[in-house]
Amino acid sequence: DTGVSQDPRHKITKRGQNVTFRCDPISEHNRLYWYRQTLGQGPEFLTYFQNEAQLEKSRLLSDRFSAERPKGSFSTLEIQRTEQGDSAMYLCASSLAGDHEQYFGPGTRLTVT
Amino acid sequence: DQQVKQNSPSLSVQEGRISILNCDYTNSMFDYFLWYKKYPAEGPTFLISISSIKDKNEDGRFTVFLNKSAKHLSLHIVPSQPGDSAVYFCAAGAGVVKFYFGSGTKLNVKP
Repeated sequence: DTGVSQDPRHKITKRGQNVTFRCDPISEHNRLYWYRQTLGQGPEFLTYFQNEAQLEKSRLLSDRFSAERPKGSFSTLEIQRTEQGDSAMYLCASSLAGDHEQYFGPGTRLTVT
Repeated sequence: DQQVKQNSPSLSVQEGRISILNCDYTNSMFDYFLWYKKYPAEGPTFLISISSIKDKNEDGRFTVFLNKSAKHLSLHIVPSQPGDSAVYFCAAGAGVVKFYFGSGTKLNVKP
């Protein structure tokens, strides 16, 4: 068990560009979550998947954001036309369905210049 | 609108003494509560949890207390060790999926 991994760890992009992040959950976990964390705040829920189905999306997830988990394993989070306000740490977590404890990856830090 | 609040951004404690971290919530529907610990450059790590049907849960040096009437929970670390120095987040939710996190308390345990 190698834990939850995220790639890249850091991303610097210019405003208006598109970015994509990847998350690989713990292999036996069927639930996968995306969170956003800004400086001085705790993680904020964005969306979650059970297997390949996206079951809930936060209102924080604007139309510029899209997440996929095509085969129920890894997931991608894409941000189109990035804005400076998108600068944050994007965290991925996974769990078994029915378990409360979520296991987090190290995050991808996005900086939009 | 923050549903989970940690009003102390930081806490400094001497090694061997007790650390008490506090958390308040507003939503009476919350029925499960968790504490996470976060070191720099790492994601949050699950520490301990408590269901609303209990008022105390203990795991080694860590104990979480829940006061439902006050909508308050606390994490006690006894004895505190320098390796406990980290940011601690409390989280609360109704059900098993969507959790709301506080803004964190940075604990510094001095040798």
